[in-house]
Amino acid sequence: SQKIEQNSEALNIQEGKTATLTCNYTNYSPAYLQWYRQDPGRGPVFLLLIRENEKEKRKERLKVTFDTTLKQSLFHITASQPADSATYLCAPSGGYNKLIFGAGTRLAVHP
Amino acid sequence: NAGVTQTPKFRVLKTGQSMTLLCAQDMNHEYMYWYRQDPGMGLRLIHYSVGEGTTAKGEVPDGYNVSRLKKQNFLLGLESAAPSQTSVYFCASRTGNPNYGYTFGSGTRLTVV
Repeated sequence: SQKIEQNSEALNIQEGKTATLTCNYTNYSPAYLQWYRQDPGRGPVFLLLIRENEKEKRKERLKVTFDTTLKQSLFHITASQPADSATYLCAPSGGYNKLIFGAGTRLAVHP
Repeated sequence: NAGVTQTPKFRVLKTGQSMTLLCAQDMNHEYMYWYRQDPGMGLRLIHYSVGEGTTAKGEVPDGYNVSRLKKQNFLLGLESAAPSQTSVYFCASRTGNPNYGYTFGSGTRLTVV
């Protein structure tokens, strides 16, 4: 069955550093992959979408890569700030109409 | 623009009781989804709809029913609640263009005792 793996352990980094989160998927080949941010008690918020034919996508301080050979996506936040602290969800497409979500990685940025 | 609105925000049910969760969106989106989120697990798809009058099963549909009689509303029903349905439920919608992400509601926290 389709499986999404994100680091279950929280990632703790210092303010100003680059945070890198990993998403691995198995048993299928998604046409695209999305990343979301979720704050406690809130619904996920869409950040970026990257297609299978795109190696890299950027939006302000965010960068996403998509390696279809390794079946992996990396999510980078440069010059991280305490306000970036949240849980980040990876969501590869599971067919044309739906996404499959990973459990998320919690990021804590310390001043 | 309100986006996606879920009601109620919190609910406690006794085992065997029924209830309906309402999701309303004002963005004229074609697609709507119901997910549940449990600790340590990703969002799991319950049911979804690709347009008014259509519904389809997701990954964990058992114990739930849905209806999409109007384009802007997507209802999730629990006919006979069980403690295993204790969860946070999220509704989401998106445009027909898959280049855009989902817009989520703020969730309904349901406890079944």
